[in-house]
Amino acid sequence: NAGVTQTPKFQVLKTGQSMTLQCAQDMNHEYMSWYRQDPGMGLRLIHYSVGAGITDQGEVPNGYNVSRSTTEDFPLRLLSAAPSQTSVYFCASRRDRTPYEQYFGPGTRLTVT
Amino acid sequence: AQSVTQPDIHITVSEGASLELRCNYSYGATPYLFWYVQSPGQGLQLLLKYFSGDTLVQGIKGFEAEFKRSQSSFNLRKPSVHWSDAAEYFCAVGGDTGGFKTIFGAGTRLFVKA
Repeated sequence: NAGVTQTPKFQVLKTGQSMTLQCAQDMNHEYMSWYRQDPGMGLRLIHYSVGAGITDQGEVPNGYNVSRSTTEDFPLRLLSAAPSQTSVYFCASRRDRTPYEQYFGPGTRLTVT
Repeated sequence: AQSVTQPDIHITVSEGASLELRCNYSYGATPYLFWYVQSPGQGLQLLLKYFSGDTLVQGIKGFEAEFKRSQSSFNLRKPSVHWSDAAEYFCAVGGDTGGFKTIFGAGTRLFVKA
């Protein structure tokens, strides 16, 4: 199993550009999440999904969109990048909605200039 | 409100010394508690978890944690630290409220000196 994979590993955007961060898992997990990690703030939940076709907002959803058309994939879209979105982004999955441990991808480091 | 507090932003210990990382939580229902470790440039890896039962839980890499309900704490310990333990450690809480979301603390960065 590859586990949770994320692409790209690094990305630099200019303010106003859009892009999609890719996330895929091969563990047949129902529950997937996107977090951003900023110094001194831990991980903050952006959006999450409890299954294909079902998504919901987390703690910091503004400026981001998600969709879940398959169990495996959960892309995160930045609609119009802003410098405040400079961060490290982690995708995570877990078996289902119950609070079992999450499995994290290696992260995407995004810089917005 | 649900929250996790890790009071120490960073800790430095000597190799071979014991370690305790503090974690306090606020949660309105039965908490499910986790400790994750993040090595530089890597994602998070689960060290251990507590759901119920014995309040002292053992994890990977020689770590253990003790759940103390009366103190709302879930401190992480290791009797003898190795240089490879230098990393950032995150405490997290989840449960059957709030949409089963997991709340993470801000993290404690561990430095190990020779």
